Amino acid sequence: DAEITQSPRHKITETGRQVTLACHQTWNHNNMFWYRQDLGHGLRLIHYSYGVHDTNKGEVSDGYSVSRSNTEDLPLTLESAASSQTSVYFCASRDTGQATDTQYFGPGTRLTVL
Amino acid sequence: QQQVKQSPQSLIVQKGGISIINCAYENTAFDYFPWYQQFPGKGPALLIAIRPDVSEKKEGRFTISFNKSAKQFSLHIMDSQPGDSATYFCAASIYGNQFYFGTGTSLTVIP
Repeated sequence: DAEITQSPRHKITETGRQVTLACHQTWNHNNMFWYRQDLGHGLRLIHYSYGVHDTNKGEVSDGYSVSRSNTEDLPLTLESAASSQTSVYFCASRDTGQATDTQYFGPGTRLTVL
Repeated sequence: QQQVKQSPQSLIVQKGGISIINCAYENTAFDYFPWYQQFPGKGPALLIAIRPDVSEKKEGRFTISFNKSAKQFSLHIMDSQPGDSATYFCAASIYGNQFYFGTGTSLTVIP
C-alpha cells in the first residue's frame, strides 16, 4: 500500500547542530508539506513543494530549509538547531482533484533540542 | 495572526451526546475547509471537508455546517462515542495550496 513515512520518529540533539528530518511518500504526489505542531498553535506550515526542484516558504520558515530532488522525498533541514525548534514535525503530501484536496500526514518526528 | 480561529480548546461530552466544534476565518479567498482528526502519537487524518458552494455536508455521524456570510464553519459529531476521543483541527486553504490550521480541540467522550 502507498504510504508516507518519516524518520527518525524521535530525535534529541544539541543547540547549534544541523539536523535533517526525512520524509518519503510512495503515492507519487507532487505536493508535499512540512508542518510543526506546538500546543496552543495547532499545525503551522514550514515549507512546501509543488514538484521536483520547487520549494516555497511557509509561515514559520526561518531556520529551516528543504530541497526536492525527486518526487518521493522532501527532507527538512534545521541549519543550526535552537531550543525554540523543539516540536513535533509532520510531513504531508497532497492528493489533488476536483473532489478532494486531501493531505495525507506522516506519523511525525518528535524533535528535542537541548 | 491566526488565520483560522477554533473553539473550544477542550470539550467533554457524554456518550451519545452531540459534540460541536466551531471555527471562524477572515480570508474570503479560502475555498476548501477540511476537518482533521488526530489520535495521540499519530498524524492528523482527514475526517470530512466542505467547499463554500454548499452549506452542509454529512458523512455518517459527522456533519460540517458552513455559513459563508458569517465566515464560520462547524463540526458536529452526533451520537458521540468514546472512540471519538481525539484532537480535532479545522483548516482552510486556497486552491488546496497553503493550509491554515486552527489551534485544535481536545474532545473527550465519557462512557
